[in-house]
Amino acid sequence: QSVLTQPPSASGTPGQRVTISCSGSSSNIGSNYVYWYQQLPGTAPKLLIYRNNQRPSGVPDRFSGSKSGTSASLAISGLRSEDEADYYCAAWDDSLYVVFGGGTKLTVL
Amino acid sequence: QLQLQESGPGLVKPSETLSLTCTVSGGSISSSSYYWGWIRQPPGKGLEWIGSIYYSGSTYYNPSLKSRVTISVDTSKNQFSLKLSSVTAADTAVYYCATSPVPAASKSWGQGTLVTVSS
Repeated sequence: QSVLTQPPSASGTPGQRVTISCSGSSSNIGSNYVYWYQQLPGTAPKLLIYRNNQRPSGVPDRFSGSKSGTSASLAISGLRSEDEADYYCAAWDDSLYVVFGGGTKLTVL
Repeated sequence: QLQLQESGPGLVKPSETLSLTCTVSGGSISSSSYYWGWIRQPPGKGLEWIGSIYYSGSTYYNPSLKSRVTISVDTSKNQFSLKLSSVTAADTAVYYCATSPVPAASKSWGQGTLVTVSS
């Protein structure tokens, strides 16, 4: 059981906008930044969003993050086939450790 | 650009200690204000944070693994390591090393190494 809750799957067609949710508690998302990772098949995860809504250099602006209270969301606009991957949210917990969501498998139909 | 590479046995017997090393290149492990950490992923499952060590030596561990985990740094070899004791089949996973400015923001990752726990 993961500390952060994500839907196990999401899907969309090319060009669509898809959102993935991440729910936590006051001790993690509610009081700390949220991070998002993209994991393409057979590869190491890649940091996609940091500090709730900031993109590392090289990440397309099609990817955006937001946070409200104890929940966060990752939005992908202009969906492309290469976006098909697993997406994970993460946050620091006030108990001094990192918590992850269970991951969401995104399928581009 | 920091590069990380995991190394260690791919097979460990139950009840023994899993030991992995992460070699860092492209920068000094002791000169950066970074966290050096380990994350694992059981086959077909999600990510689990194991723990991190700050360049100053402070360590942070996942409470579910804390009694069995030790993360340490060897600045002379520009490496950091993971030891996980009393392993069981549930510890079978791909183990990644990573570095981050804060523990949850792993920016550079190793390619991962599969460790299987089996007799």
